[in-house]
Amino acid sequence: QVQLVQSGAEVKKPGASVKVACKASGYSFTNYGLNWVRLAPGQGLEWMGWISPYNGDTRFAREVQGRVTMTTDTSTSTAYMELRSLRSDDTAVYYCARDGGSRAGDYWGQGTLVTVSS
Amino acid sequence: DIQMTQSPSSVSASVGDRVTITCRASQGISNWLAWYQQKPGKAPELLIYGASSLQSGVPSRFSGSGSGTDFTLTISSLQPEDFATYYCQQANDFPFTFGPGTKVDVK
Repeated sequence: QVQLVQSGAEVKKPGASVKVACKASGYSFTNYGLNWVRLAPGQGLEWMGWISPYNGDTRFAREVQGRVTMTTDTSTSTAYMELRSLRSDDTAVYYCARDGGSRAGDYWGQGTLVTVSS
Repeated sequence: DIQMTQSPSSVSASVGDRVTITCRASQGISNWLAWYQQKPGKAPELLIYGASSLQSGVPSRFSGSGSGTDFTLTISSLQPEDFATYYCQQANDFPFTFGPGTKVDVK
């Protein structure tokens, strides 16, 4: 069955970087794009970006462009999202979600809590 | 960027009620519209894609309609497990923006 398993919670200081992993299983990794979405406390879902594991093509939201890198390792079917220059308002649960071919997230990771605090 | 709005922002309802949530895009998005349900502490779950296609495993009391700029999610008979927050998301063009969400709570 399709599964996306994310790395564990992180606590970072302002200005630091965080790298979240999303390991896929149960499907052909390069056949589906991956989205990254976050949910900050008291806020709504925010789409951060998309990556094609097939060719590495990426698209980002304006709010994080310049601070975010999305990559994939096809040998381990793992996607990574790195966010730099962290601020307190980057505190959120970060999710990866498979693009099921209809441009909608049909399978989601369990979420990774990233806390940014001095 | 395409802006998404939802109404209402919250709705109080009872089990068995019919609940309708609307979503509007700032420009035409054809039928590239998805609906998600999220419960506290859980990942979002896809309910509807392509504006009106029911995701596999989702109960048939959920339905979606619309095209262009105006969309609707309907829950025909609210069940106890349906109290949650619902989000629309456009996928017509990057960035794939979400609506602000609609919280369905107990009346």
